[in-house]
Amino acid sequence: GESVGLHLPTLSVQEGDNSIINCAYSNSASDYFIWYKQESGKGPQFIIDIRSNMDKRQGQRVTVLLNKTVKHLSLQIAATQPGDSAVYFCAEIYQGAQKLVFGQGTRLTINP
Amino acid sequence: DVKVTQSSRYLVKRTGEKVFLECVQDMDHENMFWYRQDPGLGLRLIYFSYDVKMKEKGDIPEGYSVSREKKERFSLILESASTNQTSMYLCAIRPTGTGGGQYFGPGTRLTVT
Repeated sequence: GESVGLHLPTLSVQEGDNSIINCAYSNSASDYFIWYKQESGKGPQFIIDIRSNMDKRQGQRVTVLLNKTVKHLSLQIAATQPGDSAVYFCAEIYQGAQKLVFGQGTRLTINP
Repeated sequence: DVKVTQSSRYLVKRTGEKVFLECVQDMDHENMFWYRQDPGLGLRLIYFSYDVKMKEKGDIPEGYSVSREKKERFSLILESASTNQTSMYLCAIRPTGTGGGQYFGPGTRLTVT
């Protein structure tokens, strides 16, 4: 069945460095891919999405890359800050479906 | 900005009690969702609604029901709470005409003793 997974459960980076969080997906029919950030005790926060006909999209300090050939999605965070510490997870949705398929999440830790 | 509010941040109930979790949105969106989130299991869809009085089962509807009498409010009901329903409950909305991203409320941490 369809699944969205993450390569690494935890990621530690130095403050100021760039972070790259990866995600693999299996449903080639997905229309959109979304990245969420979830801080402890809070609901998931929408960060950025990308349509399946795009391969790159940039937001404020974040870039999402989509490689449909290998069914891989990544989130790049530039100049990581302490406030970026959270669990990040990807999700996908395909045409006609109402529900998102979520990955398990990667915990990003920022070292001072 | 999309705003989703949930009635309680923390809730403690006893086994067998009837529990109501409320979700309210302020932008007239059709699509609303209820999830639960558990360590190691991620987010799982319980029910969703795409209009007033309309509802669809998600992946884990057993032990739950929902109500949507008004567009802005989507309620999750635990008819007889059990300890295995201790979880974080998250409401989400999906704005009409957007790519598919859902916007979540702050969550309700429910403990059933």
